[in-house]
Amino acid sequence: DSGVTQTPKHLITATGQRVTLRCSPRSGDLSVYWYQQSLDQGLQFLIQYYNGEERAKGNILERFSAQQFPDLHSELNLSSLELGDSALYFCASSGRTGEWRTGELFFGEGSRLTVL
Amino acid sequence: GQQLNQSPQSMFIQEGEDVSMNCTSSSIFNTWLWYKQDPGEGPVLLIALYKAGELTSNGRLTAQFGITRKDSFLNISASIPSDVGIYFCAGQRSGATNKLIFGTGTLLAVQP
Repeated sequence: DSGVTQTPKHLITATGQRVTLRCSPRSGDLSVYWYQQSLDQGLQFLIQYYNGEERAKGNILERFSAQQFPDLHSELNLSSLELGDSALYFCASSGRTGEWRTGELFFGEGSRLTVL
Repeated sequence: GQQLNQSPQSMFIQEGEDVSMNCTSSSIFNTWLWYKQDPGEGPVLLIALYKAGELTSNGRLTAQFGITRKDSFLNISASIPSDVGIYFCAGQRSGATNKLIFGTGTLLAVQP
């Protein structure tokens, strides 16, 4: 158990809809990352937040947005969904004081999104 | 999106055999990492490498940070059934963030 909690675990929706994925980081971790895993693109970095502020951006579509709240949980919002958005979305966290090790991310179990 | 080239794509071996996999990039990384993903789970960090030429072990796993900083290798000795999973390499360019570029993955199947 990584200590990172993601909800929902599975989500099925239709094209054009909007969904929100939620992530609670490991206790004490200040950074939250979102990754998308699909068969053709592999694991792709989307975005990172550190203590409520956006820190780094990857291949995140304009239809997607994220935020990190004062209690450090994070949400990833996916709108105007397309078939190609079907994927496993992972949240990861890191940055617990005194435990920082470059590259060490703790991943949740993922949210599997299916767009029909 | 960018991915690192990982090979082989898949391996089917007998329990007790040694395994080698590698990861290459066209650009330099300052940190190389190896993660393992079990079915239905998120990736878990196995080994982290921070210096060119570094060789690091974690039990039966040994990984190396290539001298050119453009590649890394992972060896698993005396494989066991619980080694089954997908192994990913990951590279990081700067220490400012933990933005990782992941490899394409190596699927390992171990037959008892």
